[in-house]
Amino acid sequence: ETGVTQSPTHLIKTRGQQVTLRCSSQSGHNTVSWYQQALGQGPQFIFQYYREEENGRGNFPPRFSGLQFPNYSSELNVNALELDDSALYLCASSLDRGRVRGYTFGSGTRLTVV
Amino acid sequence: AQKITQTQPGMFVQEKEAVTLDCTYDTSDPSYGLFWYKQPSSGEMIFLIYQGSYDQQNATEGRYSLNFQKARKSANLVISASQLGDSAMYFCAMREDNAGNMLTFGGGTRLMVKP
Repeated sequence: ETGVTQSPTHLIKTRGQQVTLRCSSQSGHNTVSWYQQALGQGPQFIFQYYREEENGRGNFPPRFSGLQFPNYSSELNVNALELDDSALYLCASSLDRGRVRGYTFGSGTRLTVV
Repeated sequence: AQKITQTQPGMFVQEKEAVTLDCTYDTSDPSYGLFWYKQPSSGEMIFLIYQGSYDQQNATEGRYSLNFQKARKSANLVISASQLGDSAMYFCAMREDNAGNMLTFGGGTRLMVKP
């Protein structure tokens, strides 16, 4: 079975720009969660998508938005980028909103905002 | 208050020895799960072990075991027979069943295995 794939692996954006990050979930998983991990810190929950609907959101502003597609892959969009958005963005897939043990993480996208 | 506290920013262990990484948590939810993840420099979070709040026995997965002390709200990870490849960041995380489906992570512990 394939794991979680994220793209791109690295990118550099300018403050004020918009960015889209992509995640392909593990085969058989119907839930995707996104996390932001600032340098030297633990990941923080952004939001979760279950069967194409947002199913929980952390303390992030509306300029962080997402989508989940019928094949359960997902996108994270960030508008009006700020310097503090520089971080590793991790995608995690799971079955049934994570109530079954096991969140499988991707390797992340490292975003640098200059 | 912090939901997950990892008090050891960095730890050294000699190869082939055992090491314990500390994790304390705070929740009033009776139903929750505790996870440990390993994060090498590549960035990927690798699942190591899971303990449910109603599990009667401590979880074990190969060289990893979880010392679950529910009354003290601690969930320490024990790695036996450390290997050089165990050098990485280790994160403790919790999912509270009545608080959505997110994982709350601690700040992590950097483990360095000495040859």
